Amino acid sequence: QKEVEQDPGPLSVPEGAIVSLNCTYSNSAFQYFMWYRQYSRKGPELLMYTYSSGNKEDGRFTAQVDKSSKYISLFIRDSQPSDSATYLCAMMGGNEKLTFGTGTRLTIIP
Amino acid sequence: NAGVTQTPKFQVLKTGQSMTLQCAQDMNHNSMYWYRQDPGMGLRLIYYSASEGTTDKGEVPNGYNVSRLNKREFSLRLESAAPSQTSVYFCASNLAGGRETQYFGPGTRLLVL
Repeated sequence: QKEVEQDPGPLSVPEGAIVSLNCTYSNSAFQYFMWYRQYSRKGPELLMYTYSSGNKEDGRFTAQVDKSSKYISLFIRDSQPSDSATYLCAMMGGNEKLTFGTGTRLTIIP
Repeated sequence: NAGVTQTPKFQVLKTGQSMTLQCAQDMNHNSMYWYRQDPGMGLRLIYYSASEGTTDKGEVPNGYNVSRLNKREFSLRLESAAPSQTSVYFCASNLAGGRETQYFGPGTRLLVL
């Protein structure tokens, strides 16, 4: 069983919709949670970075962490075609090494 | 600032050939990393260098060697390429390792026949 599970999609939604992306994990030592966005044939870029449980908002993006359920989410409001990308969750515990999910491919349809 | 740069962008090798993937960063970062990305596997750490002069194994180091040439450059070498090393390779760096944000390069796509 992988330490981090992420539905690979693909996920297609109409422009303007709210998008929900999720990851589950099994390692209770994870304390730092990130979402990376990766455009086709590009490197990942950090989108959101949260510590422990709770919510963090940045513009149209909200990251949510529920440590009791070992579940993290990324919400995208008012989705735009430019949001079309692969979204990777990543987590870190005491060993300070990132463990990535496999990524969810998202397409926003104009 | 170019950020993290990688060369080459794409390479085709035959089984048994060797090659070196180059990575450089201009952000004065101390720590550098090599990952590979495979379908259904996500990004996996191959090797990392916490600071100039030090290197350590990651999750999947077999078949690879690394050199931290100086603070800016971190190379990944495949001595005898195998088809299982077909992948997209990403270099990343951050200021001081640990929980600091990692910045990724554009990747090198490697095909081993």
